[in-house]
Amino acid sequence: AQSVTQLDSQVPVFEEAPVELRCNYSSSVSVYLFWYVQYPNQGLQLLLKYLSGSTLVKGINGFEAEFNKSQTSFHLRKPSVHISDTAEYFCAVTRGSTLGRLYFGRGTQLTVWP
Amino acid sequence: DGGITQSPKYLFRKEGQNVTLSCEQNLNHDAMYWYRQDPGQGLRLIYYSQIVNDFQKGDIAEGYSVSREKKESFPLTVTSAQKNPTAFYLCASSPGAGSGGYTFGSGTRLTVV
Repeated sequence: AQSVTQLDSQVPVFEEAPVELRCNYSSSVSVYLFWYVQYPNQGLQLLLKYLSGSTLVKGINGFEAEFNKSQTSFHLRKPSVHISDTAEYFCAVTRGSTLGRLYFGRGTQLTVWP
Repeated sequence: DGGITQSPKYLFRKEGQNVTLSCEQNLNHDAMYWYRQDPGQGLRLIYYSQIVNDFQKGDIAEGYSVSREKKESFPLTVTSAQKNPTAFYLCASSPGAGSGGYTFGSGTRLTVV
């Protein structure tokens, strides 16, 4: 089975500051990687995904993530956050051969302060 | 617009009663999933289905049951055997094997009193 570790359960940051949410995964085979965002009492929305190709992936709302195979990481970054970015963020991994099942990390709560 | 509809958004039940959560999608997706979310525990997979009339247990299937009689529908029944049913339940779908990307419903918050 895959495992996903999100290293920080909570990340507080001031508005307009940069932020990085960390994600590491364990797998000995090729994987697909995802970041999702969840606003309170809502479902999850896809931010971005890495399937193949360029290791720097750009997503919605100004977020980007970099796939680092040697470090088995897929950290999420944004150069300048807004209060509206306050939400919970989930990293997820799947292998193509495992029929699409996603394994999720425990989530990182990003809180942006004015 | 295509999407996934979960109903109801909030559900209250007395302890010992079975309850069924609805999940319908019009995305023509083959695969559907049920997750349970508890604070600080992320998403845990309850059941999933890759095709109509077939489904598999996830990591925490005990006390739950599902059916997949139609491609569009994947209802989840929380039975009285589930010891701690109060949680936020999320349904998702994906085009099929290997695609990975899920579309999520907006969730059902179940409270058992």
